[in-house]
Amino acid sequence: GEDVEQSLFLSVREGDSSVINCTYTDSSSTYLYWYKQEPGAGLQLLTYIFSNMDMKQDQRLTVLLNKKDKHLSLRIADTQTGDSAIYFCAVRNTGGFKTIFGAGTRLFVKA
Amino acid sequence: DTAVSQTPKYLVTQMGNDKSIKCEQNLGHDTMYWYKQDSKKFLKIMFSYNNKELIINETVPNRFSPKSPDKAHLNLHINSLELGDSAVYFCASSPGTSGGSTDTQYFGPGTRLTVL
Repeated sequence: GEDVEQSLFLSVREGDSSVINCTYTDSSSTYLYWYKQEPGAGLQLLTYIFSNMDMKQDQRLTVLLNKKDKHLSLRIADTQTGDSAIYFCAVRNTGGFKTIFGAGTRLFVKA
Repeated sequence: DTAVSQTPKYLVTQMGNDKSIKCEQNLGHDTMYWYKQDSKKFLKIMFSYNNKELIINETVPNRFSPKSPDKAHLNLHINSLELGDSAVYFCASSPGTSGGSTDTQYFGPGTRLTVL
């Protein structure tokens, strides 16, 4: 079945850029998402990208998709302490009922 | 104007008891889910209902039984609770996959279950 992998930890200084990486195995993945989970809260959608796109930018967030390598990344520019959270990569096929989540990357932002 | 709500937020109970967690969404979505998040934050899908019909049923002990009285509600009943059931349980909903939508999932705040 589909597998989604992420590194578990990332530590950056405030003001630097953060890049969170994700790889997936199913080349027919159509929708690729990034969710954010703050302490004690549920997951919240940050952004998503369709498989026919290479890049999507939304304010401080840039998503890059390399379909050939099945690699997805989330770049957060000017990282703030409020960005400290767990970031989950998730993928789904067209018409698929199941969204597969990665294990989450814990982002620590040092002041 | 809560989108996906769960009750209770915290649940502490003894081993062997039976308990229920309730979930309601007011987004008009067709699909609802239950996830289990363990202490390492791994998120595992347990069940999914689409228009009150079970569509995903992962390898979950049959002590766990979901019930969807209507498409706005998906409750989770757990019999004979065990220590390993301690986790945070998240309910989520999504519009459904018909029409090729992105089917973004909206999560509830979670129910932290502690089994003593």
